Parts: sequence; structure tokens; C-alpha cells
Amino acid sequence: QKEVEQNSGPLSVPEGAIASLNCTYSDRGSQSFFWYRQYSGKSPELIMFIYSNGDKEDGRFTAQLNKASQYVSLLIRDSQPSDSATYLCAVANSKLTFGKGITLSVRP
Amino acid sequence: GAVVSQHPSWVICKSGTSVKIECRSLDFQATTMFWYRQFPKQSLMLMATSNEGSKATYEQGVEKDKFLINHASLTLSTLTVTSAHPEDSSFYICSAREGGDGYTFGSGTRLTVV
Repeated sequence: QKEVEQNSGPLSVPEGAIASLNCTYSDRGSQSFFWYRQYSGKSPELIMFIYSNGDKEDGRFTAQLNKASQYVSLLIRDSQPSDSATYLCAVANSKLTFGKGITLSVRP
Repeated sequence: GAVVSQHPSWVICKSGTSVKIECRSLDFQATTMFWYRQFPKQSLMLMATSNEGSKATYEQGVEKDKFLINHASLTLSTLTVTSAHPEDSSFYICSAREGGDGYTFGSGTRLTVV
């Protein structure tokens, strides 16, 4: 079993819609969870991090964490074409481990 | 905010030669630096973790004699790809951690071996 899994994708949503990105992880001891956005040919940029169960909101982005289910998600409200990118879920123990990413396309 | 500078941003080298990539934390001291490799349409794969003044810890399957990592100071880590071959062509990205979960990424280095 892979440590961090992002199975769905690619994802295409119309402009203004909500995009929902999901991620599961295998290590129950994981403490910190991150969502990164990566544009083609560029380095990842941090969108959000979350440590505690529940929701964390930052502007149009909401991260949700459920440690019992070993599940973390990212919701993007009012999706914009500029949100089109690859979204990487990452889990931290002593190091940061990434999922394979989900490519999101927002249609104008 | 924390800034990590990575150079060069791209490099083309001949097969059999060595290439050095630098990663510098500009406004903080990085207790730990990480080196990742990313092939097209794939995720970031951790190659090694380095702590200042000690030997790097390599991930399984990464050749330590081929990918030399030096972390001589709290602000500088280097990755040297020795005897590079076309299959080493990839996007190499460093990350520096000041403490806790503050991971800051460099801008990446596109290596092409011809």
C-alpha cells in the first residue's frame, strides 16, 4: 500500500463550481498534512496545512482532516481557471511524503 | 517569509559528466534539507534527507555514490549528480526545514543529460 494515495483524477469542473480533492494515508502516526499546488515545470507551492481533525478554511480553500479514517481533503470554492494545476497531498512525519497528485482543470 | 534559492534553474550536460545543484536558505537556518526528484507527470520522490554536518540519509533505491549530498552549513546543501546519464534527466527540487513543519521549497532544477 502506498503511503499517500490520491486515486481520482484528472478532475474537470466548470468555473465557479466547487472542486473536491481527496487523499488517504497509511501511517496513523502522521501528524501534519499539507496541500500543495504545482504548475507545470514549477516547484510546489503551499496552499494549506492542517494538524487537527475537522475543517480549516482559508479564503476559497477548505482542508478537511479525519484521522480516524486517515483521510484528508481539499475543497476549492468558486473555482477559477487560474486554479487549473496539479494538486499534491503531502503527509509529514520526520519527512514529507507526497501523493502522486491530481490534475484539476477549471473550464471557463 | 522563508525563501530557498536553488541554482541553476536548468542545466544541460553531456553524458558522463557531473553536475552540482545548490540549495540555499536565504533568511533562515535550515536544520534539515531534503532533495526530491520528479519525472514528467509523476509526483515528487524523496531522494535523501540531509542534516547539517552529518551524512545524508538516502531513500531506498537511491544510489548514494551517484547522488552526492553535502550539507556543510545551516544555509547550504548541494546535490552532485556524478557521471550523469540520460536516465538521470529529471526535475530536481530541494526543500529546507527551519523547524517543526515549515517546509520551504526551492524553485527546482531541470537537468537534461544528452
